[in-house]
Amino acid sequence: EVQLLEAGGGLVQPGGSLRLSCAASGFTFSSYAMSWVRQAPGKGLEWVSSISGSGGNAYSADSVKGRFTISRDNSKNTLYLQMKSLRAEDTAIYYCTLETTTIFPIDYWGQGTLVAVSS
Amino acid sequence: AIQMTQSPSSLSASVGDRVTITCRASQGISNYLAWFQQIPGKAPKLLIYAASSLQGGVPSRFSGSGSGTDFTLTISSLQPEDFATYYCLQDYNYPRTFGQGTKVEIK
Repeated sequence: EVQLLEAGGGLVQPGGSLRLSCAASGFTFSSYAMSWVRQAPGKGLEWVSSISGSGGNAYSADSVKGRFTISRDNSKNTLYLQMKSLRAEDTAIYYCTLETTTIFPIDYWGQGTLVAVSS
Repeated sequence: AIQMTQSPSSLSASVGDRVTITCRASQGISNYLAWFQQIPGKAPKLLIYAASSLQGGVPSRFSGSGSGTDFTLTISSLQPEDFATYYCLQDYNYPRTFGQGTKVEIK
């Protein structure tokens, strides 16, 4: 059974940093691209960042570029999102997900972890 | 970045109604489009991929169509469990972009 378990969310002050992690199990982690998707309270879904299975290719939304870094440790079956220079508008539930694509229509999401940026 | 424009942003419908949601891409994306359903408090669920392919386990009342820039999600006969918010997502290139969502409410 595929499981994605996020951790690391919490309350942080503007300008602060936080690292999210996503522990994966039930599949060959290194074979799949992974993504972070977020949802601000009462708002829609926003793609944040994706990384290839090997970790060699990573992509980020313009809204987080230069502040957030996606990475993965395939030896630990864990995905990360390092977030710095956090802003109030980064407040959201952050979901870890296997990346769904037209070629690989897989659909697995974590339960989400809440990041709240406030003074 | 490719902009995905969904319409309407919300709609009210009754059980048994036929519902259509549209998504327009700011440039051609071939069939690289997915539709998700999200129930409040839950993670999104994939309904349709490759614009018109039904994900396994999804009821056949859901269907998708379109190619290029214009896409449609249709629910042929709305059921009580279908009241939710629906999103389109393009996976043609990065950055990935979602539509702003369509909330389907009970009339």
